[in-house]
Amino acid sequence: DAKTTQPTSMDCAEGRAANLPCNHSTISGNEYVYWYRQIHSQGPQYIIHGLKNNETNEMASLIITEDRKSSTLILPHATLRDTAVYYCIVRVAGNDMRFGAGTRLTVKP
Amino acid sequence: DAGITQSPRHKVTETGTPVTLRCHQTENHRYMYWYRQDPGHGLRLIHYSYGVKDTDKGEVSDGYSVSRSKTEDFLLTLESATSSQTSVYFCAISGTTLDEQFFGPGTRLTVL
Repeated sequence: DAKTTQPTSMDCAEGRAANLPCNHSTISGNEYVYWYRQIHSQGPQYIIHGLKNNETNEMASLIITEDRKSSTLILPHATLRDTAVYYCIVRVAGNDMRFGAGTRLTVKP
Repeated sequence: DAGITQSPRHKVTETGTPVTLRCHQTENHRYMYWYRQDPGHGLRLIHYSYGVKDTDKGEVSDGYSVSRSKTEDFLLTLESATSSQTSVYFCAISGTTLDEQFFGPGTRLTVL
């Protein structure tokens, strides 16, 4: 599976959009991009995933560049409860879900 | 939230003792996973199951065994616990390998 690179930490103001980037320059054609988050001490929570097209659900939007070498997770109106570590994972269906260090997002009042 | 529970939630044990952690699901999902989470390593897969009595090793399987005799239960056993197995253990479930994984609340294990 391709490796991912994420910033170690980011801040966001409450009520503003949080844009979390992820680089996956070695991604292959059959690899999906998944996003999870982990709020302190809890189990990871699935957010969204996609292959080529942009995706949106009730939690977030996933924007994947045309060359698929990077993606951005967008939380449209961040709240204090969105403070968490966000993991970007690239994998082929059937392979391990490899969690890296993620991005620690802090939403500030 | 997905119906997934882990027991115990906290355990302190001594080196050399056997320990069994239980993961229970009410979702009838085919796939179940055990991860450990340590500072500086993120989550790492220990073992997973793709059906009753069907299991396979993950990234860090040494020192661990698993069993799945029923769809709803996935057991993780440390035959002889060591201090390096002090960690937070998470169970997860999914319907297919493409589907999202739903995680349990975790078990904090301390081996003295």
